Amino acid sequence: AQSVAQPEDQVNVAEGNPLTVKCTYSVSGNPYLFWYVQYPNRGLQFLLKYITGDNLVKGSYGFEAEFNKSQTSFHLKKPSALVSDSALYFCAVRDEGTGFQKLVFGTGTRLLVSP
Amino acid sequence: IAGITQAPTSQILAAGRRMTLRCTQDMRHNAMYWYRQDLGLGLRLIHYSNTAGTTGKGEVPDGYSVSRANTDDFPLTLASAVPSQTSVYFCASRPGINYGYTFGSGTRLTVV
Repeated sequence: AQSVAQPEDQVNVAEGNPLTVKCTYSVSGNPYLFWYVQYPNRGLQFLLKYITGDNLVKGSYGFEAEFNKSQTSFHLKKPSALVSDSALYFCAVRDEGTGFQKLVFGTGTRLLVSP
Repeated sequence: IAGITQAPTSQILAAGRRMTLRCTQDMRHNAMYWYRQDLGLGLRLIHYSNTAGTTGKGEVPDGYSVSRANTDDFPLTLASAVPSQTSVYFCASRPGINYGYTFGSGTRLTVV
């Protein structure tokens, strides 16, 4: 089965500094990877996805993610963090079973951006 | 409405009671999903539906049932609630294979 791991429960960064939220994956075959963000008391919002093509994927709100096949990683990045980026971030991978597809989520990383 | 609507927003439920969480989408997405979110565990799939009239079990289906009578609605029923079902429940949908999911705002359920 496909899986993703988010090794950090929380990431702290000062506003204006670059941020990285880490994700590694374990898949058989080609990975289909996603990043979602969750603000307090809200549902998850789609940020970006990697299906195929360029290893650097650009998404919403200035976020981007770098797909690295040799390191089996898909880290989320932003050049300059904003306080409003503080939220819970989830990495996910598409898993295919018999007759269905689903997303398998990591445990989430809380990003805290300080003023 | 635009997107996915979940109801209720929150609920406190006595153990042993029956409860249905509602989910309605207006995007005509074929596939719909129910996840539960628990601290330290991320989101886990309860049930899914690839299209109206079909449903399937996810990772943690025990104690839950779903139906998909039409494209728009995908209710989740707890037949006899237990405290371990205290969680935040999210309904989601997607239009096609390579698309991301659209999530509802969630239902916070507390079983006491």
